[in-house]
Amino acid sequence: GAGVSQSPSNKVTEKGKDVELRCDPISGHTALYWYRQSLGQGLEFLIYFQGNSAPDKSGLPSDRFSAERTGGSVSTLTIQRTQQEDSAVYLCASSPRGSNTGELFFGEGSRLTVL
Amino acid sequence: GENVEQHPSTLSVQEGDSAVIKCTYSDSASNYFPWYKQELGKGPQLIIDIRSNVGEKKDQRIAVTLNKTAKHFSLHITETQPEDSAVYFCAASGPSGSARQLTFGSGTQLTVLP
Repeated sequence: GAGVSQSPSNKVTEKGKDVELRCDPISGHTALYWYRQSLGQGLEFLIYFQGNSAPDKSGLPSDRFSAERTGGSVSTLTIQRTQQEDSAVYLCASSPRGSNTGELFFGEGSRLTVL
Repeated sequence: GENVEQHPSTLSVQEGDSAVIKCTYSDSASNYFPWYKQELGKGPQLIIDIRSNVGEKKDQRIAVTLNKTAKHFSLHITETQPEDSAVYFCAASGPSGSARQLTFGSGTQLTVLP
């Protein structure tokens, strides 16, 4: 398909373990975003990549969270030493370069459960 | 920074009735206001948006109104159908109108009862 692809769709882990979540954006989209959606909450911005520019990490909640984007395409969000409060759906979105509509194209998310 | 409040958090309507969801924002410089629909197990999808230079926009059964003076905007769905059942998010974006500056509301769970 041509949409944003995220994996895994579901991840159950034990407290203290590290997890990696993957996002494959729409081909040709240079902007990539990670959001966190906790139960009953809105979308919390985590990090933003635009082309080769330095990422905007201002939304990362702690230094246990990090993300990288290799080759301007696939991105990986890493959570180290997971805590129960990290349980949430992690959504990735992409948008085309130069878009002034602001439209985000979201993946279906990765649901993380920390036991 | 921008703060977006959304009401109600849950809304149930009978099929065929109208549904209205309201949002307020704090930053008077915001100029782009999208609405996203999130169906169960899916990612949010843009359904309609409005920029600050217009007061209303319609697309078939959905419409959005914007009052910049009061800093609030609303989503109106007419002739609701069961497939309209979903979580709806409003958002507001800063002066550049870019997705990077989007701040989302907390969402409204809409249930359309058959």
